[in-house]
Amino acid sequence: SQKIEQNSEALNIQEGKTATLTCNYTNYSPAYLQWYRQDPGRGPVFLLLIRENEKEKRKERLKVTFDTTLKQSLFHITASQPADSATYLCALASNAGNMLTFGGGTRLMVKP
Amino acid sequence: EPEVTQTPSHQVTQMGQEVILRCVPISNHLYFYWYRQILGQKVEFLVSFYNNEISEKSEIFDDQFSVERPDGSNFTLKIRSTKLEDSAMYFCASRDGQGESGNQPQHFGDGTRLSIL
Repeated sequence: SQKIEQNSEALNIQEGKTATLTCNYTNYSPAYLQWYRQDPGRGPVFLLLIRENEKEKRKERLKVTFDTTLKQSLFHITASQPADSATYLCALASNAGNMLTFGGGTRLMVKP
Repeated sequence: EPEVTQTPSHQVTQMGQEVILRCVPISNHLYFYWYRQILGQKVEFLVSFYNNEISEKSEIFDDQFSVERPDGSNFTLKIRSTKLEDSAMYFCASRDGQGESGNQPQHFGDGTRLSIL
């Protein structure tokens, strides 16, 4: 069955450093991979998406990579700020399906 | 910026009772979704809805669940006879209809917390 794994442990980093979050998947061939941010008690908020034929995508301080051979995506936040503290979710989408399949999320804590 | 709104924010219901969760998707969007998140667990897909019919549903979305778009703005999820294990946060989402589904973000509401007693 499809499996999506994100670091279940919280990631604690110092303000100004780069945060790197990992999303690994098995038994799936997604056409797209999306990253969302979720704050406590709130719905997911879309951040970035990347296609299967793209290696890297950037938006301001965010960068996403997608390696379909390794079946892995990395999500980077450079010059991290305490306001970046949240849970980050990766979600996979196929060409045929309409749904998103989410990973369990990684909680990021940026300390001042 | 337009947003998806959900009501109520918290619903407490006795087991066995019917509950209706309400959503107002973004006005020009064509695809509508319900997801749920049990406390501490993953966000899970329930159902997608397009052109006034269900386009996809998960195993969770059994005969106890139904969805409806009763007018041009609301999108509802009904649970006919609630069980304790239905307690979760329920998120509504919508997206516009341009291009492939995975190439578009989904816009989520802030959810309804459903507590079954």
